[in-house]
Amino acid sequence: GQSLEQPSEVTAVEGAIVQINCTYQTSGFYGLSWYQQHDGGAPTFLSYNALDGLEETGRFSSFLSRSDSYGYLLLQELQMKDSASYFCAVDSNYQLIWGAGTKLIIKP
Amino acid sequence: DAGVTQSPTHLIKTRGQQVTLRCSPKSGHDTVSWYQQALGQGPQFIFQYYEEEERQRGNFPDRFSGHQFPNYSSELNVNALLLGDSALYLCASSSTGGTSYEQYFGPGTRLTVT
Repeated sequence: GQSLEQPSEVTAVEGAIVQINCTYQTSGFYGLSWYQQHDGGAPTFLSYNALDGLEETGRFSSFLSRSDSYGYLLLQELQMKDSASYFCAVDSNYQLIWGAGTKLIIKP
Repeated sequence: DAGVTQSPTHLIKTRGQQVTLRCSPKSGHDTVSWYQQALGQGPQFIFQYYEEEERQRGNFPDRFSGHQFPNYSSELNVNALLLGDSALYLCASSSTGGTSYEQYFGPGTRLTVT
């Protein structure tokens, strides 16, 4: 079967750094995407890793290790507006296979 | 620059009925994917349309069907509705390229089956 595992909930303090992990097992793999979804909103694209290593986009960074079937999203200088659900998704043969999402709770 | 639009925003149907949801992709995009998202879950891939053909399909029964028009807009049809079909239905568009990793989502249609 195909599966992605990520923590259901993570809590952090405003201004801190948080890491959201994702492990995957899929039959096809072109890359790992990360999406953000606020309550009641649509998912929005954050980042994508096709190759091993770190990709940085402003306060957000994403890492991939293909040999370990593992990736993570790193959020720095957390702001209250970052409170949302974060999904990892595998790009596999014209479809995205999604994890169940990690709810990020930020405390002041 | 118009983003992805979906209609209707909310819909209430009865078991056994049929429903049609509509999606217009972001300007410049030609590929449309449909997802079902249950409360508290990640989106589940239903199918993707490109060049008016279903290019890939997820693990959904034949009650779920779709169509893409020459202007790239798309419809999702669900027949013989079940209570379990109640969910948020998301449409996402992307540009040609063979990869699906960066998709732009519409606001979704909230379907309630009673």
